[in-house]
Amino acid sequence: DIVMTQTPSSQAVSAGEKVTMSCKSSQSLLYSENKKNYLAWYQQKPGQSPKLLISWASTRESGVPDRFIGSGSGTDFTLTISSVQAEDLAVYYCEQYYDTPFTFGSGTKLEIK
Amino acid sequence: EVQLVETGGGLVQPGNSLKLSCATSGFTFSTAWMNWIRQTPGKRLEWLAQIEDKSNNYFISYLESVKGRFTISRDDSKSSVYLQMNNLKEEDTAIYYCTSGIPFDYWGQGVMVTVSS
Repeated sequence: DIVMTQTPSSQAVSAGEKVTMSCKSSQSLLYSENKKNYLAWYQQKPGQSPKLLISWASTRESGVPDRFIGSGSGTDFTLTISSVQAEDLAVYYCEQYYDTPFTFGSGTKLEIK
Repeated sequence: EVQLVETGGGLVQPGNSLKLSCATSGFTFSTAWMNWIRQTPGKRLEWLAQIEDKSNNYFISYLESVKGRFTISRDDSKSSVYLQMNNLKEEDTAIYYCTSGIPFDYWGQGVMVTVSS
């Protein structure tokens, strides 16, 4: 199974600051035939279901603010929030859909100071 | 508006069974690949099963640890997906979500399953 490792487990930032969080996979998520990375990011706000933010490592879903930026390739990926807002309080999970069983990281909890 | 609504959760004793249902609307269910995912009390997300669409012969995949105990199925005429869970264990206690697509673009609100004596 592909193991997804997220760091840090939690992070506290002030509104307006930039934040980055990391996700590493135990094997490459880059499919050579289409040059796509099978990596997604989800946001789970308190009391809500997870919501898909980014697919293919860097493609924002419709309606997701452009302050959310996904980057990386192969085994190393990053989610950046360029200017954190109070409503970004949530746990962020990465997930690989390169192969079954699909697996998630343990999450990065974002707290607002 | 896309909606996925899970039902069928509850408190069950170890060794017993439970069947979860997920009724959907707002998207073309018949061509959607559907999944069940659970979130443990420790907030860990775990993919459990996927069922593909008719054009892919309703191909099914399972997490190894639930294979043989859990069965995913779908009824395209009802736009619904199901998860039959047998021989439940205390470690199956979680919130169960149905989701659509790969990656998981739509999620239900989840249903709580508690396995305890």
